[in-house]
Amino acid sequence: QQPVQSPQAVILREGEDAVINCSSSKALYSVHWYRQKHGEAPVFLMILLKGGEQKGHDKISASFNEKKQQSSLYLTASQLSYSGTYFCGTESPTSYDKVIFGPGTSLSVIP
Amino acid sequence: DTGVSQDPRHKITKRGQNVTFRCDPISEHNRLYWYRQTLGQGPEFLTYFQNEAQLEKSRLLSDRFSAERPKGSFSTLEIQRTEQGDSAMYLCASSFLQGGEKLFFGSGTQLSVL
Repeated sequence: QQPVQSPQAVILREGEDAVINCSSSKALYSVHWYRQKHGEAPVFLMILLKGGEQKGHDKISASFNEKKQQSSLYLTASQLSYSGTYFCGTESPTSYDKVIFGPGTSLSVIP
Repeated sequence: DTGVSQDPRHKITKRGQNVTFRCDPISEHNRLYWYRQTLGQGPEFLTYFQNEAQLEKSRLLSDRFSAERPKGSFSTLEIQRTEQGDSAMYLCASSFLQGGEKLFFGSGTQLSVL
């Protein structure tokens, strides 16, 4: 039931782009994305609801393919502040409002 | 909006002792969640409330764990007869009443069982 994330870890140089993927074996109502820095609480980035959409703010955007039960998070022109662990969280149509998180993707941006 | 607050921030206890954590959600939020996180892992769902009603408890959760949310305000999570495997960060989150709403997380309580 836990979503799968890939890659497990990625290292980028400032200005490079990255894509983080999240997939589920079950139908999805929504996909959440959060970023967590070491020793801190997860911080909300965005939610995508079923209906197949793309969202974005600043240089971070995401897409949601409901049929494939997949979501991708796109980070463009990465900055040092993007470093952290990114988690996707999923809600199913049968028990929405219970968010199940994936194992996370560690992102390190170096100068 | 003062955010979600958790107390204590850190707790060190000896194996076999009972511990209790407190979470104060954002005041207008109906839903309250408890998650457990170990190093290198994503938050693991434990239980959640809608107002004072506990809607679901993870099947992976031992009977030593119990949570309450009296009067639908703050919540407590108690672990009885702690074991070393209980060492983790315990995160509380709250949200508005409906699906597809973002979670606001507290800073967590780091539990170390010696």
